[in-house]
Amino acid sequence: DVKVTQSSRYLVKRTGEKVFLECVQDMDHENMFWYRQDPGLGLRLIYFSYDVKMKEKGDIPEGYSVSREKKERFSLILESASTNQTSMYLCASSLAGPYNEQFFGPGTRLTVL
Amino acid sequence: QKEVEQDPGPLSVPEGAIVSLNCTYSNSAFQYFMWYRQYSRKGPELLMYTYSSGNKEDGRFTAQVDKSSKYISLFIRDSQPSDSATYLCAMSGEIQGAQKLVFGQGTRLTINP
Repeated sequence: DVKVTQSSRYLVKRTGEKVFLECVQDMDHENMFWYRQDPGLGLRLIYFSYDVKMKEKGDIPEGYSVSREKKERFSLILESASTNQTSMYLCASSLAGPYNEQFFGPGTRLTVL
Repeated sequence: QKEVEQDPGPLSVPEGAIVSLNCTYSNSAFQYFMWYRQYSRKGPELLMYTYSSGNKEDGRFTAQVDKSSKYISLFIRDSQPSDSATYLCAMSGEIQGAQKLVFGQGTRLTINP
């Protein structure tokens, strides 16, 4: 059974804190993605990676950075959390190539106070 | 104008009804069309996938693409309470030299027993 796991289901942080969201996939997928999901806005791509140590900006990268040191792990970093980063964060992975199914993790609901 | 528009609902129908979910899009470069289903507190899962115009049927679900109108639909026949979820359309294509996947806002559907 394919699996994408995220380190936390719920997270509460304070403004200005550095926040790490971890994602691990066990499918040997090349591509990994970070999205945020907000009511009325749908899923918006923050960053993606098509290989180890490679990263590409998505539609809303401002305020975020990512790290991919191993193929199975993709981390999202909020350098200095702000209240407008309160959201549901979803990680996904897929095989190489543009048209392959993305498999999603269960999401991390982050609240920044 | 958003690249993909989807009525967020919510949509509430009685069990057994035929459900129609729709998305419109503005970029004719989109060639692959998908519907994802997202249950509460879970990540999205791919439900159906179609390429170019036409219909595709899978059990009680039918996906329809009309590229001339830039309009896609998902029909659910004999709807069941277990179909209650948020449905997200997604579409991909090569845009400005890069592959791009764009999600709609998602429609929250409730099937009442």
